[in-house]
Amino acid sequence: TQLLEQSPQFLSIQEGENLTVYCNSSSVFSSLQWYRQEPGEGPVLLVTVVTGGEVKKLKRLTFQFGDARKDSSLHITAAQPGDTGLYLCAGARNSGGSNYKLTFGKGTLLTVNP
Amino acid sequence: NAGVMQNPRHLVRRRGQEARLRCSPMKGHSHVYWYRQLPEEGLKFMVYLQKENIIDESGMPKERFSAEFPKEGPSILRIQQVVRGDSAAYFCASSPNLGLLGSGNTIYFGEGSWLTVV
Repeated sequence: TQLLEQSPQFLSIQEGENLTVYCNSSSVFSSLQWYRQEPGEGPVLLVTVVTGGEVKKLKRLTFQFGDARKDSSLHITAAQPGDTGLYLCAGARNSGGSNYKLTFGKGTLLTVNP
Repeated sequence: NAGVMQNPRHLVRRRGQEARLRCSPMKGHSHVYWYRQLPEEGLKFMVYLQKENIIDESGMPKERFSAEFPKEGPSILRIQQVVRGDSAAYFCASSPNLGLLGSGNTIYFGEGSWLTVV
């Protein structure tokens, strides 16, 4: 059972388009992180959200944490080819004191065509 | 994540050999985590270590896998008698203190070690 479901799994768009990717769970997370991973590289942290309803912006990227802290979304405005990559969400839970442990989704593979 | 150093970046081993993966955490970080990314799978937690202590190894296979983080030197993930199913990317991450991710602290990943078992 995948604790964090990401959708869509694959997304191919043209430069300049907007897009949203989703990260959903039936579990509550104390925090949620978004990473971008390029082929042959490690995940690079984009943002951490900790408060239900929180919205964070990073240039053309907007991240939202659901009110109930069970889901999150990443919206990219005017996508560019440099945005191409695997977008991963990862959540930390407070259960049993193991809030150092991240649960990852399988990711959304985004391709932005010039 | 440039501060977390992993080596080797790529490793090829024949079935039955041993694989040793090394991780030097970011400067000032005393907490190390290992994750594994299998093909078509998300990253999965393996083990959490502090200097000279294994805190949580609940994600580590019970056999053939071991990890250490000695007082001096890098953290080592050791896989004995490798099998084809061990082929994966192994990522190390570090944090400066107890990774209380709920309070907004975060962990930083290295670039990974890609193990191929032939």
